[in-house]
Amino acid sequence: KQEVTQIPAALSVPEGENLVLNCSFTDSAIYNLQWFRQDPGKGLTSLLLIQSSQREQTSGRLNASLDKSSGRSTLYIAASQPGDSATYLCAVESGYSTLTFGKGTMLLVSP
Amino acid sequence: DAGITQSPRHKVTETGTPVTLRCHQTENHRYMYWYRQDPGHGLRLIHYSYGVKDTDKGEVSDGYSVSRSKTEDFLLTLESATSSQTSVYFCAIQESNLNSPLHFGNGTRLTVT
Repeated sequence: KQEVTQIPAALSVPEGENLVLNCSFTDSAIYNLQWFRQDPGKGLTSLLLIQSSQREQTSGRLNASLDKSSGRSTLYIAASQPGDSATYLCAVESGYSTLTFGKGTMLLVSP
Repeated sequence: DAGITQSPRHKVTETGTPVTLRCHQTENHRYMYWYRQDPGHGLRLIHYSYGVKDTDKGEVSDGYSVSRSKTEDFLLTLESATSSQTSVYFCAIQESNLNSPLHFGNGTRLTVT
């Protein structure tokens, strides 16, 4: 059974710092890995999707990498802003309609 | 925002009563999902649909049923609500069933007393 772990569970940084969020998964037989953000009281917003054949994806200040063989992904946020404060979740797609989520990293960026 | 509307947004109900949650999409996506989100458990899949009248069970399907009579609507029914079904329920849609991002609604907070 696929298991997804996110470390740390919570992170607090001052504005302007570059930061890295980590995601690991136990079964490397995946189709893709997805990163989401969730604001309090809201649903999840898709940030990046990395297919298994890809090594990284970029969107603005966000860069996600994937090392399938070691079962790891990182989400790099450059020049963090208070508006980046949210919970970030990763999820791996191991089969058709089979997405396994981590429990998330709660990020607080203070001004 | 993807065109996903969940209703109601909040509901309080009593143990033993049936409850139906609705998810409506305007994107014409084929795949629709119901998840529940609980502290300490993260997001868990309840049921999903891969087309009109085509549904399948997820990880935590006991006590839940679903129906999809139209592409745009996916209903989740708690046949006889229990306190363990107190949770936040999210609907998600997906254009294709692999390598396509999921888009989520804003959730329904259900409290069973």
